[in-house]
Amino acid sequence: AQTVTQSQPEMSVQEAETVTLSCTYDTSESDYYLFWYKQPPSRQMILVIRQEAYKQQNATENRFSVNFQKAAKSFSLKISDSQLGDAAMYFCAGDYGGSQGNLIFGKGTKLSVKP
Amino acid sequence: GAGVSQSPSNKVTEKGKDVELRCDPISGHTALYWYRQSLGQGLEFLIYFQGNSAPDKSGLPSDRFSAERTGGSVSTLTIQRTQQEDSAVYLCASSLRWADTQYFGPGTRLTVL
Repeated sequence: AQTVTQSQPEMSVQEAETVTLSCTYDTSESDYYLFWYKQPPSRQMILVIRQEAYKQQNATENRFSVNFQKAAKSFSLKISDSQLGDAAMYFCAGDYGGSQGNLIFGKGTKLSVKP
Repeated sequence: GAGVSQSPSNKVTEKGKDVELRCDPISGHTALYWYRQSLGQGLEFLIYFQGNSAPDKSGLPSDRFSAERTGGSVSTLTIQRTQQEDSAVYLCASSLRWADTQYFGPGTRLTVL
């Protein structure tokens, strides 16, 4: 089965601190893509970062970086120097190259940022 | 350029009525996806269009749901005889091609009374 699992329903971080959101996945495909999306209360799903499975180097996008452990099927998101605007739901998603090309999403992690 | 747009932003309807939800993908994007986001089920894939090809409807939850895409651009998701369990946020996404990064619209919140 192709799955994405986020085991942390809620997380909290102090402003300017670092937080890591966990994600594990399962697929038998060798070539796939993994994503983190952010969904603020406005509902707009915003792409945070994308990782190609064939790349060993972890993707980085400004304050956001991932720890991609292919053998362990783990894909965590690290947010450095957290800002109030980072507060949102964060979804981990996998594109396993099915005929539909659809994303498979985790249940999400609600991140709160304390001033 | 402009992102994915969806209308209406919110829709309240009575049980048994039909509703139409619209999605305008990013210009030039050939692939278009509909997802449903509900509290109990998370994000579920509904249907996928690639260019002018016939859509893959395997994710639609019942035959009350249908979708079309005119001219390879705008898409309409139609729900007939709405039920309370259809209440959810309906998200549309588009990508340049199949398997490219998907960009999402702001969604339509559907409430069935």
